[in-house]
Amino acid sequence: EVQLVESGGGLVQPGRSLRLSCAASGFTFGDYAMHWVRQGPGKGLEWVSGISGNSGTKTYVDSVKGRFTISRDNARNSLYLQMNSLRAEDTALYYCAKGRQVAPDAFDIWGQGTTVTVSS
Amino acid sequence: DIQMTQSPSSLSASVGDRVTITCRTSQNINNYLNWYQHKSGKAPKLLISAASNLQSGVPSRFSGSGSGTDFTLTISSLQPEDFATYYCQQTYSPPHTFGQGTKVEIK
Repeated sequence: EVQLVESGGGLVQPGRSLRLSCAASGFTFGDYAMHWVRQGPGKGLEWVSGISGNSGTKTYVDSVKGRFTISRDNARNSLYLQMNSLRAEDTALYYCAKGRQVAPDAFDIWGQGTTVTVSS
Repeated sequence: DIQMTQSPSSLSASVGDRVTITCRTSQNINNYLNWYQHKSGKAPKLLISAASNLQSGVPSRFSGSGSGTDFTLTISSLQPEDFATYYCQQTYSPPHTFGQGTKVEIK
């Protein structure tokens, strides 16, 4: 079964750091781009970051550039999001999502999400 | 960045109704447009990729059309399980922006 399971969320103070993880199973992880998408309270979906299969390309939404770092370990079938200098507006449910091998890309498998709350 | 304008933001409809949701992009994205269904407490679900490709297992009452800057998601006969929020998304260039969402509610 193709599956993504996120972990690492929690309550954190503004300015602190948190690292999210996403464990993948059921597909050849290294063949696919992976993404992080978030949904703030009462808000819509927001794409946060993406990484190519070989980690050669990493992209970010402007609001997290310089603060968040996406990475992956294909040997461990895992995706990560290192979040530094967290702000209240980063409070959200964070999903990892699997992309496609060829364009046009689409996010065909999603995890259930992990909740990040930034508050003092 | 490519801007997405999705409309309406919400709609009320009855079971059996035909429902149409539109998505307009700020620049030509060819067919790099996807549609997702999102129910509260669940993971988003990919319905349609590349503007019109119905995903495996998705009922045929869902269809997508369009190219360039104007796209449409149609539900031909709304079913009780279709009440959810629907999002368009462009993957033409990063950031891979989503539309604002359309909440489909029961009339």
